[in-house]
Amino acid sequence: AQTVTQSQPEMSVQEAETVTLSCTYDTSESDYYLFWYKQPPSRQMILVIRQEAYKQQNATENRFSVNFQKAAKSFSLKISDSQLGDAAMYFCAYRSADAGGTSYGKLTFGQGTILTVHP
Amino acid sequence: GAGVSQSPSNKVTEKGKDVELRCDPISGHTALYWYRQSLGQGLEFLIYFQGNSAPDKSGLPSDRFSAERTGGSVSTLTIQRTQQEDSAVYLCASSSQLNTEAFFGQGTRLTVV
Repeated sequence: AQTVTQSQPEMSVQEAETVTLSCTYDTSESDYYLFWYKQPPSRQMILVIRQEAYKQQNATENRFSVNFQKAAKSFSLKISDSQLGDAAMYFCAYRSADAGGTSYGKLTFGQGTILTVHP
Repeated sequence: GAGVSQSPSNKVTEKGKDVELRCDPISGHTALYWYRQSLGQGLEFLIYFQGNSAPDKSGLPSDRFSAERTGGSVSTLTIQRTQQEDSAVYLCASSSQLNTEAFFGQGTRLTVV
């Protein structure tokens, strides 16, 4: 079974500065997707960024970028120019794309990291 | 609708009663997921449906939990003989294909008293 680990229960950053959230995962599969989701106090889960495992290039979405290290099974999220609206709980997630596997399609989440942004 | 809709938003029930939580996925989405989130915690996988395939029920914590998906659309999560430890937010998500992002509803907050 796949596991996702976020080792930072809480992180904080000053407005306009950069912060990196860590995520590691364990899998024996070669084909999968990785995601970062944001959950503000409203409870609504919002996709921040997605990475396909077969792509070597790190995904970027405006101020959000990832550092995907497939061999190390690491998938960190960097938030640049942090804004007050970035404050939320962030979840790293793994999704199997191995059609022959028993976990095909299952979306597994890490424990989450609470991000606080200080003005 | 435009997004995943869950009802009710909040539910308070007495210990030992049965509850039903409803999820209306985005129209046309073939995959549907249920997760449980305890206060301040991560997301615990419960069950997922993909088209007409047998659902993956491997995350259901006990036989008091069951879920159905009728006509490949609406899903109902049923918890029988609720216990206080069942108190949590229950999140539903759907996606158009297995390998695309999942869209989440706003969840149902269940409180068992």
